[in-house]
Amino acid sequence: GIQVEQSPPDLILQEGANSTLRCNFSDSVNNLQWFHQNPWGQLINLFYIPSGTKQNGRLSATTVATERYSLLYISSSQTTDSGVYFCAVAGAGGTSYGKLTFGQGTILTVHP
Amino acid sequence: DAGVTQSPTHLIKTRGQQVTLRCSPKSGHDTVSWYQQALGQGPQFIFQYYEEEERQRGNFPDRFSGHQFPNYSSELNVNALLLGDSALYLCASSLATGETQYFGPGTRLLVL
Repeated sequence: GIQVEQSPPDLILQEGANSTLRCNFSDSVNNLQWFHQNPWGQLINLFYIPSGTKQNGRLSATTVATERYSLLYISSSQTTDSGVYFCAVAGAGGTSYGKLTFGQGTILTVHP
Repeated sequence: DAGVTQSPTHLIKTRGQQVTLRCSPKSGHDTVSWYQQALGQGPQFIFQYYEEEERQRGNFPDRFSGHQFPNYSSELNVNALLLGDSALYLCASSLATGETQYFGPGTRLLVL
């Protein structure tokens, strides 16, 4: 099946710093989502971005489908950005339709 | 507009018992997927239901079964519980077109 690798595994920042999280995937995808998991376990949708670039406030994401990677940018980080960030993809093949495969996540800690 | 809801929030069972978890999808969604998230890991796909049938299945044993009702809500059943079944169980809903999946708050299952 499709493989998803996220980097870095851990990231520690001071409030106000910028960061870039990376997601590499091993095959063509028709769904790529970025999530933020809060300490209570809730997965919060950040972006649905199988290709192209999107921005939402301090967050933006870019997916280069032909090169099989996606980047999540966080600018002017805040303590509330702390948590685990997951990239998840669904392959373009019929047997992969709707089946999200998650990476191992990036644990982000933002200090005041 | 209610999001995805799950019940119960927490559950404690003993080995060998059976458990049923419930999920109500986001309004307007007709596809429900279930995921298992072990501590420190990314969620893993269990199966997906559409039109009351299992459409996709991940690498989980037959002890894991499910059901979708005509109102699109869904149940996940796990028989003969093992200690390793202790995890956060997440439900996600989406439109049949397989785009953005929205996740519920999860059910934390502890097997003793």
